[in-house]
Amino acid sequence: KAGVTQTPRYLIKTRGQQVTLSCSPISGHRSVSWYQQTPGQGLQFLFEYFSETQRNKGNFPGRFSGRQFSNSRSEMNVSTLELGDSALYLCASSPADRSTYEQYFGPGTRLTVT
Amino acid sequence: SQQGEEDPQALSIQEGENATMNCSYKTSINNLQWYRQNSGRGLVHLILIRSNEREKHSGRLRVTLDTSKKSSSLLITASRAADTASYFCATDHSNYQLIWGAGTKLIIKP
Repeated sequence: KAGVTQTPRYLIKTRGQQVTLSCSPISGHRSVSWYQQTPGQGLQFLFEYFSETQRNKGNFPGRFSGRQFSNSRSEMNVSTLELGDSALYLCASSPADRSTYEQYFGPGTRLTVT
Repeated sequence: SQQGEEDPQALSIQEGENATMNCSYKTSINNLQWYRQNSGRGLVHLILIRSNEREKHSGRLRVTLDTSKKSSSLLITASRAADTASYFCATDHSNYQLIWGAGTKLIIKP
């Protein structure tokens, strides 16, 4: 089975621009979670989707949004980028209907905002 | 907000020695998980221990959970160079998200 894939792997954007990141979960996984990771920090939870429904959202401003499609693929969007949004964005899928069981992570998208 | 806290923040040991890292959390959990992150393989799930379990083994890994102290420990025995990585604990608090600690950076010296 193919693992979780994320595109693009690297991205450089300018302040004020917007960006869309994509995640394809492992086939059969319906739960997708998104995280932001900055140097020296653990993972900060962004949101979780299951069967196209957002079930939980982390403590991030409304500039961060996401969605999930019927094939379980997910996208997250960040509008009006700020320098502090520079981070590694990780997507994880889970085989269970509880996303808090074992999660399988993609390689991440490294976003740099200049 | 993060609830899990790992200690130490960094650990450097000789190859062959055992490595122990700890995780503490603040509120009751359903399960606690340990993950490893290195540049080569990304973030990988190591082991999950449920709140009604006290100890779990997987190969050279041993995880203990003390719910009365709200803490867990991960022991890696007979460390190898390939164990060099950051180790994170993540806790499930029943709201469809895992809460992550800041991690322990483990360096195995040859």
